[in-house]
Amino acid sequence: AQKVTQAQTEISVVEKEDVTLDCVYETRDTTYYLFWYKQPPSGELVFLIRRNSFDEQNEISGRYSWNFQKSTSSFNFTITASQVVDSAVYFCALSEAGRDDKIIFGKGTRLHILP
Amino acid sequence: DVKVTQSSRYLVKRTGEKVFLECVQDMDHENMFWYRQDPGLGLRLIYFSYDVKMKEKGDIPEGYSVSREKKERFSLILESASTNQTSMYLCASTRQGMRQFFGPGTRLTVL
Repeated sequence: AQKVTQAQTEISVVEKEDVTLDCVYETRDTTYYLFWYKQPPSGELVFLIRRNSFDEQNEISGRYSWNFQKSTSSFNFTITASQVVDSAVYFCALSEAGRDDKIIFGKGTRLHILP
Repeated sequence: DVKVTQSSRYLVKRTGEKVFLECVQDMDHENMFWYRQDPGLGLRLIYFSYDVKMKEKGDIPEGYSVSREKKERFSLILESASTNQTSMYLCASTRQGMRQFFGPGTRLTVL
């Protein structure tokens, strides 16, 4: 069965600190996609990244970076020099077997950035 | 700019009422999805559709039905709303090989 686990339910850090959100997944597929979405207080899910299982290169986009490790089935997300606007719920997700359009979400991590 | 719209941001209904949540996308996507989001439970898939007039049950279809008469529109129907259906409802669309695009969500309260 496929599963996404975000063990951190809620995290609070002071502004400018770095923070890492953990994501561990389970799948028997060799081909799959991993995603991160951000949900700010407004409610709309904002797409952050999609990573193909064959591409284990880490990715950096501004203050955001992602560490994909197949050996540990993890796809962790780090925010460097956090800002109050980063406060949101963050979801990690995995595409379902054989379907890159249907995805399974983790339960989310609520991130509070304190001024 | 791609867009998924939902008919209401906030909705208050009474127990037993029939409720329609509408979702429209302008990207000519084949696939559309309805999720509900509850604190601590993440997003759970209710129903999805791969084409007009096609529908498939997700993980929690009980108490819901859907309609897809046109490619761009996917409706979620609560035949007889109950208080345990108070939730945030999110619609998404995509096509094969793409990531999902989400609407702004509808916060439904059933009194």
